Amino acid sequence: QQQVKQSPQSLIVQKGGISIINCAYENTAFDYFPWYQQFPGKGPALLIAIRPDVSEKKEGRFTISFNKSAKQFSLHIMDSQPGDSATYFCAGRGAQKLVFGQGTRLTINP
Amino acid sequence: DTGVSQDPRHKITKRGQNVTFRCDPISEHNRLYWYRQTLGQGPEFLTYFQNEAQLEKSRLLSDRFSAERPKGSFSTLEIQRTEQGDSAMYLCASSLAGGSTYEQYFGPGTRLTVT
Repeated sequence: QQQVKQSPQSLIVQKGGISIINCAYENTAFDYFPWYQQFPGKGPALLIAIRPDVSEKKEGRFTISFNKSAKQFSLHIMDSQPGDSATYFCAGRGAQKLVFGQGTRLTINP
Repeated sequence: DTGVSQDPRHKITKRGQNVTFRCDPISEHNRLYWYRQTLGQGPEFLTYFQNEAQLEKSRLLSDRFSAERPKGSFSTLEIQRTEQGDSAMYLCASSLAGGSTYEQYFGPGTRLTVT
């Protein structure tokens, strides 16, 4: 059962632009929503995370927007750089384990 | 380096052979997780431990798979009678139970190829 749906599957953004990745979840018992960044051949690296009682969290160029009523959340990367080119995964935490979306391959063109 | 480590990083084996992977979590973390990631997909939960107790196993974890964490530190994941469908990246993560910290930190993974 797919409990976290992520879109788009791939995204191309010009350097300096804003990258936006969206996720929707089904399980209202999720209590924590992290985003991970993964480079080829590497493990996922925790980027930023939010709790459902907060509508927005910002860390540097990365912002999570969270809409509890719509069961949706999104990652915004401001001033996107070529080094941000990677695959991004959203996830929801339920009963201690993470349920991941299918990933978004982000390419930042110089 | 105080991150999660996994060994080996790559494993090629023939169908029917047994393989074992090792994970060393961040030293103070008492929870340890195993996930599996196939190409183009997000990681899928397999099992997790709190200290030495295995608290949950996914239905993805067939009876050919077994995981242990005998002393509450490192963990091993064994796959018996490997099949081509077992080819994937096996990821280990660790976290600190309790309080307000929910972060799971992943290791670099073990890529398994079954020929």
